[in-house]
Amino acid sequence: QKEVEQNSGPLSVPEGAIASLNCTYSDRGSQSFFWYRQYSGKSPELIMFIYSNGDKEDGRFTAQLNKASQYVSLLIRDSQPSDSATYLCAVKAGGFKTIFGAGTRLFVKA
Amino acid sequence: DAGITQSPRYKITETGRQVTLMCHQTWSHSYMFWYRQDLGHGLRLIYYSAAADITDKGEVPDGYVVSRSKTENFPLTLESATRSQTSVYFCASSPEGPSGELFFGEGSRLTVL
Repeated sequence: QKEVEQNSGPLSVPEGAIASLNCTYSDRGSQSFFWYRQYSGKSPELIMFIYSNGDKEDGRFTAQLNKASQYVSLLIRDSQPSDSATYLCAVKAGGFKTIFGAGTRLFVKA
Repeated sequence: DAGITQSPRYKITETGRQVTLMCHQTWSHSYMFWYRQDLGHGLRLIYYSAAADITDKGEVPDGYVVSRSKTENFPLTLESATRSQTSVYFCASSPEGPSGELFFGEGSRLTVL
């Protein structure tokens, strides 16, 4: 079992809709959780991080964490074609080692 | 210009040759990482380092060697390249703390023939 699991997609949503991306992790000792966005041919860039149970909002993005269920999600409201990218879930366990999921490809149709 | 730089950006080599990918960061971040990215696998951690002279294996360390004699540099060496090591390699650095974001270099695309 991979330490961090994501649905590879592709996930296709119409412009203006809410895109929901999900991630599960196996290490209960994990402390910090990240969502990175990666455009084709580019490096990953951080969108959000979260380390407390509940929701964290930043503009159109909301990260949700449920440590009991070992589940992290990212909601993108009012999706735009420019949001089309691969979204990588990353988990930092004890120490500083950061493990990534395989990523979910998102397509936002205009 | 501050940041994290990788070189070379593109490299073609042959099976059995030694290849070194360079990584340099100007932020004085303590932590540095090497990942490889292949279709269907996302980013897989090869090696990581907490400080100069402190390194540890990640998920896929076999066939790779790292060193960190200076905080700002973290080279990755493929001692005898194999075709399965054809990949895009990303170096990253991170400050300390639970919210330590990873800052990535632009990547090095390696092809092993």
